[in-house]
This record gives sequence, C-alpha cells and structure tokens, in this order.
Amino acid sequence: KQEVTQIPAALSVPEGENLVLNCSFTDSAIYNLQWFRQDPGKGLTSLLLIQSSQREQTSGRLNASLDKSSGRSTLYIAASQPGDSATYLCAANSGNTPLVFGKGTRLSVIA
Amino acid sequence: DGGITQSPKYLFRKEGQNVTLSCEQNLNHDAMYWYRQDPGQGLRLIYYSQIVNDFQKGDIAEGYSVSREKKESFPLTVTSAQKNPTAFYLCASSIGTGGLNTEAFFGQGTRLTVV
Repeated sequence: KQEVTQIPAALSVPEGENLVLNCSFTDSAIYNLQWFRQDPGKGLTSLLLIQSSQREQTSGRLNASLDKSSGRSTLYIAASQPGDSATYLCAANSGNTPLVFGKGTRLSVIA
Repeated sequence: DGGITQSPKYLFRKEGQNVTLSCEQNLNHDAMYWYRQDPGQGLRLIYYSQIVNDFQKGDIAEGYSVSREKKESFPLTVTSAQKNPTAFYLCASSIGTGGLNTEAFFGQGTRLTVV
C-alpha cells in the first residue's frame, strides 16, 4: 500500500528565499504525483501534476520534480513571497487506487 | 464556472444525530471522493465512487455512508455510529480512479462540529 511522507512538518523562511519541500513515497510504481496548496480553513488547490512518464513540471515560480527510483518528489518555490504562506500537500496514486496524501508542510514566509 | 460545490460550509451536529454533507460537481467527472482532515493530519479517504450506483470503502469508512444516484452528486452521511465526527470534510472528483486520470479537484470543505 502506498504511503506518503512529507518532511519537514513546518518551515519558516524570509521573503525572497528559494526553498524546497520534500515528499517521499513507498511504491515506486506510481501513476501520478500531485502537489496541492491549502490555506487555513479552505479546500485544496491543485498546483502541479506529474505523470509517471515525466520528470518535472513547472508553473510560474513553482517547479516539481519526480524521481521514481528513489521514491521522492520535490517542490521548488523560487523567490518566496508572504502570499506563499500555506500548507503544501503532496499525494500519489499507484494502480487503480485513489490518491494517498502526506500530512503536509506548513510554510511561513516572513516579510 | 466548472467546479465542485460543498454545502454547508459549517455544520453542527448533536450527539446521536445523523447529518448529510452535500457535494455536487459539474466537471463531468466519473470519480468522486470523500476525505476527512483532522488538525495536523493529512487527508484520509472515507469513501470513493468510480461510477454511478457504485462506491467503495476507503480507510476510515466506519460510521459513514454514501450514495451515488447521479453522476453530479455524492452525498456523505455521518451517522451516530461515528464516535468522533468533528473534522473538516473534503470532497473531490477526477476523470477516473486509476492510471493517469486521477488528477483531483477539490471543493471548499465542510467543517462539522459535534455540540
């Protein structure tokens, strides 16, 4: 069964810094890995989806990579801003199963 | 606009009551999901449905029930058998449940509180 882990649980950085959020998964036979953003009390907003045949995806200041052999994905945020403060969740699916989520990394960007 | 609508945003339940959370989507997606989120926790799967009139239990289905009579709708009932129902409930949908069709889109959530 797929298990997803995110480290660290919380991260605080000064504005303007580049940062990396980590996600690891146990089943390398994944189909998709998806990164989400969640603001307090809100639903999840999809940021990036990486299919199993892809190595990375980019959207604006965000870049997500996927390394199936090591069971890892990273979300890179360039030039962080206070508006990036949120919880970031990654989720993966393998086989014919729904997405399995990590517990998230709570990011604070300090002005 | 296409999307997923959850209602109500806030819901209060008395001990021993059943309550139903609504989830409607106009994305023409076949698959729909219910997740539960507790503070500091990730999302845990309650039930999911791959197609109308069919649904499967997730990891924490005890004390919950669902129906899928229409493609657009997947209501979740929290029964009195659920001993700790206070949580944030999230509904999602995707084109399918397997392979490359699992990109998920979420509603804004319902916060359920037992009073």
